[in-house]
Amino acid sequence: NAGVTQTPKFQVLKTGQSMTLQCAQDMNHNSMYWYRQDPGMGLRLIYYSASEGTTDKGEVPNGYNVSRLNKREFSLRLESAAPSQTSVYFCASSEGVGQPVREKLFFGSGTQLSVL
Amino acid sequence: AQSVTQPDIHITVSEGASLELRCNYSYGATPYLFWYVQSPGQGLQLLLKYFSGDTLVQGIKGFEAEFKRSQSSFNLRKPSVHWSDAAEYFCAAMDGGRRALTFGSGTRLQVQP
Repeated sequence: NAGVTQTPKFQVLKTGQSMTLQCAQDMNHNSMYWYRQDPGMGLRLIYYSASEGTTDKGEVPNGYNVSRLNKREFSLRLESAAPSQTSVYFCASSEGVGQPVREKLFFGSGTQLSVL
Repeated sequence: AQSVTQPDIHITVSEGASLELRCNYSYGATPYLFWYVQSPGQGLQLLLKYFSGDTLVQGIKGFEAEFKRSQSSFNLRKPSVHWSDAAEYFCAAMDGGRRALTFGSGTRLQVQP
């Protein structure tokens, strides 16, 4: 059972470089999310997609773009990486349909990104 | 602004001792509330959730949490901690309209033998 798969697991970038973090889920979930995790700050929502074809900004969207390629895949792009974007990035998905009582996030194992 | 606060950054308990992790929320209406656990190098796993009804909710791994509206709190408890419970614990909340979780900053639990 793959669940939520993120690639890559580790990445080192130089300031100004671009890259895309990939995320795919095989649970037929409607909603997908990108979070970043920084020490002492917990997880902060970057972007989310409540359904295929829609995306919305979270708490910290600046410097990022997202694409909900299809129901399975939700990518996060850094166009011009900055040291402040050094973080651990988590993708998550949820059923996200109808009653929130069914809401449960399933997380990927994370991408550790360092921007020098 | 909506927020979730976990006042304790780091807690150390002895194995077999009881545990209580604190969580307070600031929302206009009672949000949906969650506790997640993160083991080192892993993603987050849901422990339990509260939407309505009984204010004491049971979760996995022997954890429970109590919702107290008057205190805007949702504290996580366990009667007897095991060494395998050492991890970071996150409280989270979601309002019904936005459907995206807001997380607290986390509490790191260390368990002494």
